[in-house]
Amino acid sequence: DAGITQSPRHKVTETGTPVTLRCHQTENHRYMYWYRQDPGHGLRLIHYSYGVKDTDKGEVSDGYSVSRSKTEDFLLTLESATSSQTSVYFCAIRPLAGASGANVLTFGAGSRLTVL
Amino acid sequence: KNEVEQSPQNLTAQEGEFITINCSYSVGISALHWLQQHPGGGIVSLFMLSSGKKKHGRLIATINIQEKHSSLHITASHPRDSAVYICAGRALDGGSQGNLIFGKGTKLSVKP
Repeated sequence: DAGITQSPRHKVTETGTPVTLRCHQTENHRYMYWYRQDPGHGLRLIHYSYGVKDTDKGEVSDGYSVSRSKTEDFLLTLESATSSQTSVYFCAIRPLAGASGANVLTFGAGSRLTVL
Repeated sequence: KNEVEQSPQNLTAQEGEFITINCSYSVGISALHWLQQHPGGGIVSLFMLSSGKKKHGRLIATINIQEKHSSLHITASHPRDSAVYICAGRALDGGSQGNLIFGKGTKLSVKP
């Protein structure tokens, strides 16, 4: 019954290679977010989207780019992966203000990325 | 200093015990979220509150806006409550990004 799925769930890659993580939602929520989670840190926002083709940077956006060409998909791309980008990446969605559950985030299951 | 601080970092309890996890914040927030992350990694939203208290089953969340403090209580704890509990404040100037500021989490382990 998951309204949000992430793929791949696990990936091992080498330094310098491009990587794309996909977040897909079936809830038609307006807002989509990419976070990374690392030991010793809280979840940190990488990029977010407030609509199709509308995206903006979060606090740790360096080395990452995103795209949202349709409501249901939000892609996170590492153009040239580095070891410091080894992390667990979470996508989250949120509906438009005023909608039911407007301020509650729904998280994906996470994507574990290892950069060797 | 982190803007959202949780205590304790780690907590071990015996089944049946009453558990309290604390969250203090130093920035203005419009609401505070409590999240649960199970060992498998998935994150679930438990509560969002901006004042007073909310209860869901054995979980109770309270917030004191003046003191910039929130607590999550678990009554009659059970091993299945073992998880990492995360608090996150929604900054007043969050805008469309929501601007959640996350604590580092409290790892709870409930022993049978």
